[in-house]
Amino acid sequence: DAGVTQSPTHLIKTRGQQVTLRCSPKSGHDTVSWYQQALGQGPQFIFQYYEEEERQRGNFPDRFSGHQFPNYSSELNVNALLLGDSALYLCASSSSRRPASGANVLTFGAGSRLTVL
Amino acid sequence: AQSVTQPDIHITVSEGASLELRCNYSYGATPYLFWYVQSPGQGLQLLLKYFSGDTLVQGIKGFEAEFKRSQSSFNLRKPSVHWSDAAEYFCAVGARGSQGNLIFGKGTKLSVKP
Repeated sequence: DAGVTQSPTHLIKTRGQQVTLRCSPKSGHDTVSWYQQALGQGPQFIFQYYEEEERQRGNFPDRFSGHQFPNYSSELNVNALLLGDSALYLCASSSSRRPASGANVLTFGAGSRLTVL
Repeated sequence: AQSVTQPDIHITVSEGASLELRCNYSYGATPYLFWYVQSPGQGLQLLLKYFSGDTLVQGIKGFEAEFKRSQSSFNLRKPSVHWSDAAEYFCAVGARGSQGNLIFGKGTKLSVKP
């Protein structure tokens, strides 16, 4: 059973460019969340997608946008890249069906490392 | 403001020694609490979680954590550390009913001496 898969694993862009990162959720999961992890920091929540809509958003500018497809996979787009966007971008999936324990747990992918020059 | 504090940036312990990683949180209500581990080049792996009930929770790889409401803490412990435990450890909190939006601490890097 494949977990969360992300692509590409590494990429290098220059300032002002645009980037698209992709995520396939774990089988059985229908909700995707994206996080940014800068070097030496903990992950920061960017946004969450469920039923092809953005449901929650963290404190990130509109340059960060996303999409969720009918098969639950998701894309993260970042426009007008800045040097400060260099980070590991983590995708996490979960199920909207609430278990008896009361909450669902996120399953994380290995991330896409973006370097902006 | 909601936040998670991991006061120790880097900890070094000898193999076989006990370990305690500290986590304090600031939150409006009792949150869900998590510990994740991240090895180099890897994503985050869930070690354990606290939702309700017994305040001492057991996780994978021999880890446990204790929720202390009065201290707003959720410290991670392991009685005997193995060299393979060397990694970065993150404490996180989430709102009840909000499954995706977790607030993470800055992490504690664990080194293990042979």
